[in-house]
Amino acid sequence: EPEVTQTPSHQVTQMGQEVILRCVPISNHLYFYWYRQILGQKVEFLVSFYNNEISEKSEIFDDQFSVERPDGSNFTLKIRSTKLEDSAMYFCASSRDPLGYTFGSGTRLTVV
Amino acid sequence: QKEVEQDPGPLSVPEGAIVSLNCTYSNSAFQYFMWYRQYSRKGPELLMYTYSSGNKEDGRFTAQVDKSSKYISLFIRDSQPSDSATYLCAMHSGNTGKLIFGQGTTLQVKP
Repeated sequence: EPEVTQTPSHQVTQMGQEVILRCVPISNHLYFYWYRQILGQKVEFLVSFYNNEISEKSEIFDDQFSVERPDGSNFTLKIRSTKLEDSAMYFCASSRDPLGYTFGSGTRLTVV
Repeated sequence: QKEVEQDPGPLSVPEGAIVSLNCTYSNSAFQYFMWYRQYSRKGPELLMYTYSSGNKEDGRFTAQVDKSSKYISLFIRDSQPSDSATYLCAMHSGNTGKLIFGQGTTLQVKP
């Protein structure tokens, strides 16, 4: 069964450093998303991406965040200057339509 | 009022029991209702989705939507220890793909 692949599985970074979280969506999917889940809290929407541009973003997705689809297969989330409160599980997801999401296993980001 | 509310549990049942998991929501614009299962340190896995009031069945799982009450349920029949996980409801309006999740209910099925 096709999978969404996320790397790395765990990233530790110092506060103020830039991190790039990587995702390989399912190949024939058109919609791409990033969500995050702070420990013990809800899964929260960050951003959706369709047709090579952001289609919607949440209030969390401020100027510190950016997304890119640098080639035909990868989808990245960059956090420019990490803060302690950015520590969370970050999930990438993709879908052929806005309904049938497939999530990756996530990247656990720890900011120290 | 929170957009989506879900009792976090935990809910503990014996093997073979019928499990009922529920969410309420406040936004009338929601049209699509999903249930996800999430194992520890894994991503959510889509179980079922519905877009109208009524029931939808898939094996041991039944999803129920009552739009008039803004209430959705997931029933698990003949629950198994392998069903032990966190169950997340999620919904959206259909205009974009943005999902709004509930808190998740942690379920433990004891052998």
